[in-house]
Amino acid sequence: EAGVTQFPSHSVIEKGQTVTLRCDPISGHDNLYWYRRVMGKEIKFLLHFVKESKQDESGMPNNRFLAERTGGTYSTLKVQPAELEDSGVYFCASSIGQENSPLHFGNGTRLTVT
Amino acid sequence: GEDVEQSLFLSVREGDSSVINCTYTNSSSTYLYWYKQEPGAGLQLLTYIFSNMDMKQDQRLTVLLNKKDKHLSLRIADTQTGDSAIYFCAETNSGGYQKVTFGIGTKLQVIP
Repeated sequence: EAGVTQFPSHSVIEKGQTVTLRCDPISGHDNLYWYRRVMGKEIKFLLHFVKESKQDESGMPNNRFLAERTGGTYSTLKVQPAELEDSGVYFCASSIGQENSPLHFGNGTRLTVT
Repeated sequence: GEDVEQSLFLSVREGDSSVINCTYTNSSSTYLYWYKQEPGAGLQLLTYIFSNMDMKQDQRLTVLLNKKDKHLSLRIADTQTGDSAIYFCAETNSGGYQKVTFGIGTKLQVIP
């Protein structure tokens, strides 16, 4: 079974530019999550999709962040325009959604905004 | 919001036991997790415990839960150099649909 894959693994952009991160969940996992770890801080929840619908986006920092999951398969997270404080590691996770089905995480995308 | 706290760093000698501690504030926590992150890799679920349990053992790993004190620990017996990683404590109050709250992560260094 292929795991959760994220692309790119690293991205370095300048302040004001746009970046799009992609996540391919495990096939058949309806639940898809985005988390972020800013350097030296906790991993924080950003949002949760169930299929193509946003179930909870309470963790999204501001309107510069846009997540989509068209067709309920892969998801993208776009940051536009990027700011310095957006630097961090963005993790995607997926799960089946049954009771205590664990989150399966991808390797993350390390975003550096200069 | 709810918090999960853990120490930042732990150093042990190879062959010794490691104990990583965590405290949480959410009185509604039902699932508590330990994730492991090796360099350059994602978060790997090591083990979890349901809140009505006080201990769970899985090979070299022992999880202890003190629900009254909201204290969770992970003991790794016979620690190996391959156990060097960051260990994240996490909790959620629902299973399967969870918004997980993570601690900051404890970096375990195993000295040969």
